[in-house]
Amino acid sequence: RKEVEQDPGPFNVPEGATVAFNCTYSNSASQSFFWYRQDCRKEPKLLMSVYSSGNEDGRFTAQLNRASQYISLLIRDSKLSDSATYLCVVDGGSASKIIFGSGTRLSIRP
Amino acid sequence: NAGVTQTPKFQVLKTGQSMTLQCAQDMNHNSMYWYRQDPGMGLRLIYYSASEGTTDKGEVPNGYNVSRLNKREFSLRLESAAPSQTSVYFCASTGQGRITEAFFGQGTRLTVV
Repeated sequence: RKEVEQDPGPFNVPEGATVAFNCTYSNSASQSFFWYRQDCRKEPKLLMSVYSSGNEDGRFTAQLNRASQYISLLIRDSKLSDSATYLCVVDGGSASKIIFGSGTRLSIRP
Repeated sequence: NAGVTQTPKFQVLKTGQSMTLQCAQDMNHNSMYWYRQDPGMGLRLIYYSASEGTTDKGEVPNGYNVSRLNKREFSLRLESAAPSQTSVYFCASTGQGRITEAFFGQGTRLTVV
């Protein structure tokens, strides 16, 4: 089993739709969780950290479920500019490293 | 504040040539990483370094060597380049204590012909 697993997609949704991604992780000792966005082979950039209580940043909501070991990202009122690959990132517990999921491709159509 | 600086940005090598990709961060981060990304694929960890003087293999270390020269710098060396190593290479770093967000360099686009 991979340490961090994501549905690769692609998700193809109309502008204005709500879309949700899930990501599961295997290490119950993980403490830090992030969502990154990557555009067309450019470097990944932090979209948002994921906090235990859940957090929201504009149209984006991230949640953490420790019991089931998954994090989620919800995008409301999607825009054309949201088209990108979304990467789930988890720390490796005691291994002092981060682990990237393979990413979920999102395409927003007009 | 430059963050993570990678050089070069582009490189073309002939099969069998060697080269070193350079990475430096100015954020006093402990952990540094080298990833490769092939077209349509996710990031794959080549090597990482949790602290100065330590390095560990990642998912795809074969054909690569690394050196954590000091806290700032983490270099990736291809001793004998192969076409299968054509990829985009990213360096990243994370802070100490509880893992902080990762900061990335802009990537090196390497083609081996």
